Amino acid sequence: GAVVSQHPSRVICKSGTSVKIECRSLDFQATTMFWYRQFPKQSLMLMATSNEGSKATYEQGVEKDKFLINHASLTLSTLTVTSAHPEDSSFYICSVSSGRENTGELFFGEGSRLTVL
Amino acid sequence: QKEVEQNSGPLSVPEGAIASLNCTYSDRGSQSFFWYRQYSGKSPELIMFIYSNGDKEDGRFTAQLNKASQYVSLLIRDSQPSDSATYLCAVNKGGSEKLVFGKGTKLTVNP
Repeated sequence: GAVVSQHPSRVICKSGTSVKIECRSLDFQATTMFWYRQFPKQSLMLMATSNEGSKATYEQGVEKDKFLINHASLTLSTLTVTSAHPEDSSFYICSVSSGRENTGELFFGEGSRLTVL
Repeated sequence: QKEVEQNSGPLSVPEGAIASLNCTYSDRGSQSFFWYRQYSGKSPELIMFIYSNGDKEDGRFTAQLNKASQYVSLLIRDSQPSDSATYLCAVNKGGSEKLVFGKGTKLTVNP
């Protein structure tokens, strides 16, 4: 499967600051990447679909101005949490589609745990 | 009704036993079904996927799909302590690439 790398794996920031998380597809050119968020003991929730060279598609209830997604190349997508608040503390995970048509098979990065103080 | 439902557990089985994990889904348009394993503090890793009704076996794992009943399950034979994790059922949304996840079932295999 695809190798997906995320950075940073952990980040602690003060309330009101912005945090950028990088997701790299190391061995696969990914036109589409997905960003998920997982709160403790909860399911993974899809936040947005990142499309190379175009705007991201956000799921209902996810603020696009707060969670900025940039997918400038086939190997890199970034998620910026702007003006972070304690309620944004979560485990953010990016994923890459295998590319098998209409299968939804995903390979996940290691995840980034954000703690907002 | 939640899109993907799983018994949250915890499910506890002795080493060597069969662990049975169940999942139901609401979207009849779903075409692909996945089981992911997630260790505490880690991201999910794919165990198996299944598209067709029936059983699919891969080593100690068997996925079962019944589209008429909107039910998918995962059997783990000869369970090992290293199988202790949370198992996430995922279904693709309306046949798209988007996955909807259940909350997961926590499995503990006791030595």
